[in-house]
Amino acid sequence: GAGVSQTPSNKVTEKGKYVELRCDPISGHTALYWYRQSLGQGPEFLIYFQGTGAADDSGLPNDRFFAVRPEGSVSTLKIQRTERGDSAVYLCASSLEAPNVLTFGAGSRLTVL
Amino acid sequence: AQKITQTQPGMFVQEKEAVTLDCTYDTSDPSYGLFWYKQPSSGEMIFLIYQGSYDQQNATEGRYSLNFQKARKSANLVISASQLGDSAMYFCAMREGEGNYQLIWGAGTKLIIKP
Repeated sequence: GAGVSQTPSNKVTEKGKYVELRCDPISGHTALYWYRQSLGQGPEFLIYFQGTGAADDSGLPNDRFFAVRPEGSVSTLKIQRTERGDSAVYLCASSLEAPNVLTFGAGSRLTVL
Repeated sequence: AQKITQTQPGMFVQEKEAVTLDCTYDTSDPSYGLFWYKQPSSGEMIFLIYQGSYDQQNATEGRYSLNFQKARKSANLVISASQLGDSAMYFCAMREGEGNYQLIWGAGTKLIIKP
């Protein structure tokens, strides 16, 4: 696609529920990144994919968070047993190869009630 | 310690004036890269400019320039001839070391351009 597409743009869920956030990177971009941005802060790194494999998942806060990229294109960030502290904007970015300038999507705003 | 510090939470600037957004960084790695991104209210991070630690000259991209002072560990963004559309959050970010893919971000500066 022309840009990085993220769905849903907004997600409201209840504490304890399971959530999936989807990222469709720019076609041909092999590197894909997930960041989390809490209100009033800069983004925090979560995970980086090179192709299908997670090359660096050191930013995932705990084992409730998991991300996949099975065919080396679309990625899904999965959050189990959501907590109120998970409320944030989840940003996805891609680049032609790493480490290059990142192109970001508009983000998925997650609100956990 | 903060790796990236942006000391200006908010700034008001008159249209057509130049504006400088401050960024200081902290790293002991000799190889690093510094980035500035703009985030309008739509939420999408837009890349503005990049400076590598070994670059001899300050980076420039159109109306954007980076005032890179290595000894002071500062990488201020200068926007010349500001426009109303420049109103947004501005983030400074750093990538440390060779082969490191993570960006470390500052807290951002909210810039408002007054007509």
